[in-house]
Amino acid sequence: QKEVEQDPGPLSVPEGAIVSLNCTYSNSAFQYFMWYRQYSRKGPELLMYTYSSGNKEDGRFTAQVDKSSKYISLFIRDSQPSDSATYLCAKATNAGKSTFGDGTTLTVKP
Amino acid sequence: EAGVTQSPTHLIKTRGQQVTLRCSPISGHTSVYWYQQALGLGLQFLLWYDEGEERNRGNFPPRFSGRQFPNYSSELNVNALELEDSALYLCASSLVHAAYQTYGYTFGSGTRLTVV
Repeated sequence: QKEVEQDPGPLSVPEGAIVSLNCTYSNSAFQYFMWYRQYSRKGPELLMYTYSSGNKEDGRFTAQVDKSSKYISLFIRDSQPSDSATYLCAKATNAGKSTFGDGTTLTVKP
Repeated sequence: EAGVTQSPTHLIKTRGQQVTLRCSPISGHTSVYWYQQALGLGLQFLLWYDEGEERNRGNFPPRFSGRQFPNYSSELNVNALELEDSALYLCASSLVHAAYQTYGYTFGSGTRLTVV
């Protein structure tokens, strides 16, 4: 079993829709979670970082962590065509390494 | 502020050759990380350098190696290239938390290596 499993997608939504991206994890140690966005032919860009259970908001983005079910989610409100990208969830460890999900490709259609 | 810069952006090598990839971290970041992103395999952790020392390495053969210089820039070397080494090689930097956990990376745009 992979340490971080991500819903594979792809997802295609109309502009303005609410998007939900989801991951589960298996190792409860060092529960630092990140969401990255990766545009084609670019490196991943850190969107959000969270440690605590609950919600963390940043503009149109909300990261949610449920440690009891080992579930992490990223919600995008009022999605825009510019949000079309691959989204990666990740979990940090105590040894500098992060373990990434395989990514979900999102397309937001105008 | 300049981001993480990597060079070259693209590279084509023949099987059996050697390659060196370069990375400059964000100013003030002492930790540099290398990841491989091969098609269909996701991001795989290669190496972590901090303060000039190798702190951790992923599950890759010894022909993958690197180093970090006193100015915190880094090189990734791959010897005896194989076809399956074709991938996007990503460098990232971060501020390192005292417990060696990170608050997330800043990635460069990567070096796309094609081995033929």
